[in-house]
Amino acid sequence: DAKTTQPNSMESNEEEPVHLPCNHSTISGTDYIHWYRQLPSQGPEYVIHGLTSNVNNRMASLAIAEDRKSSTLILHRATLRDAAVYYCIRGGTSYGKLTFGQGTILTVHP
Amino acid sequence: DTGVSQDPRHKITKRGQNVTFRCDPISEHNRLYWYRQTLGQGPEFLTYFQNEAQLEKSRLLSDRFSAERPKGSFSTLEIQRTEQGDSAMYLCASRGRAGLQETQYFGPGTRLLVL
Repeated sequence: DAKTTQPNSMESNEEEPVHLPCNHSTISGTDYIHWYRQLPSQGPEYVIHGLTSNVNNRMASLAIAEDRKSSTLILHRATLRDAAVYYCIRGGTSYGKLTFGQGTILTVHP
Repeated sequence: DTGVSQDPRHKITKRGQNVTFRCDPISEHNRLYWYRQTLGQGPEFLTYFQNEAQLEKSRLLSDRFSAERPKGSFSTLEIQRTEQGDSAMYLCASRGRAGLQETQYFGPGTRLLVL
């Protein structure tokens, strides 16, 4: 299995930045790092992915450590709608299937 | 909205009955996945289609489960002789023709409850 390690839960206040960590110490050189999130009663939603360089999109930023053994998903200003389970997934599995862990439950306080 | 759709959204059935779920992927996507998610857990991969060919099946997919994608468009997942342990959310996802890192788009899921 393509294993990653994330904290079970994190909390944030609205409009503050959130840094969600992920460890993937056994990652290979060609494995991408994907982040998906799942809001209550919905299917997972793509957030961002990257290989080596830091990545930015309209939803978030992804900071990847130089040794690629860890990464951090950054939500620059959390909103109540960002409350979700965030999954860090190591790519490279056959046919592109995603191997989800338990993820991090993010709670955002008003 | 032209996202992934799933039908029905909810299904309650009695143990021993057969159920069938449908997934309509994004129209230009030739790759389709089924996942299962139980309460408090992340989704688990069940099976993968590329066009109409079923190329990978998880060991989670027992012989009571069958999936089809007859014309490479929509897909169905059937569970025969349902058991209470089959109660879960069944998720479908699709992606396009690009490399393995292409984003997967998930449907809203079908929540199954077996009584």
